[in-house]
Amino acid sequence: DAKTTQPNSMESNEEEPVHLPCNHSTISGTDYIHWYRQLPSQGPEYVIHGLTSNVNNRMASLAIAEDRKSSTLILHRATLRDAAVYYCILYFIGNQFYFGTGTSLTVIP
Amino acid sequence: DTGVSQDPRHKITKRGQNVTFRCDPISEHNRLYWYRQTLGQGPEFLTYFQNEAQLEKSRLLSDRFSAERPKGSFSTLEIQRTEQGDSAMYLCASSLGLVASTEAFFGQGTRLTVV
Repeated sequence: DAKTTQPNSMESNEEEPVHLPCNHSTISGTDYIHWYRQLPSQGPEYVIHGLTSNVNNRMASLAIAEDRKSSTLILHRATLRDAAVYYCILYFIGNQFYFGTGTSLTVIP
Repeated sequence: DTGVSQDPRHKITKRGQNVTFRCDPISEHNRLYWYRQTLGQGPEFLTYFQNEAQLEKSRLLSDRFSAERPKGSFSTLEIQRTEQGDSAMYLCASSLGLVASTEAFFGQGTRLTVV
């Protein structure tokens, strides 16, 4: 299984940026870096993914290190609705999405 | 299409009974995944299908578990002779699995309680 390492929990103040780190030192060239989040009592929800270059979408930005051994999910302005468990996943075609324990994000009003 | 649909949302069963869950993926998606999630843990992979073919099964999927996707559309997950340890959220996901750059869409899950 492709492994990722994330902090168990993080806190952020509302309307401030949040940087969620992920280490994936065993990443291979064909692995895409995916981020999902899971709100309480919901199924996981796609956030963003990338391969080598930094990516932006309406939800977040993904910054990928040059050696691809780490990445950072950036929420530009945290809201209370962003409180969730965030999972960093390495995925390649023919494999399944392997979830670790993720980072539980608490947003403080 | 409103996304991945799972039925039922909640199921309470007595130990030893059989249960069956259904998943309806997004219509054009050829890949379908089943995951199990217990409290405080991330989802654990159980099995996945590409069209009607079951391509991979986790060692977590004991002989009591069986999954089908008969026509490459909806899928069912059956648990025979349920045990209390089977109590969990069962999640289904689908993706257009042609390349690894596509995302998976998850359903809301079926919460199973074995009493």
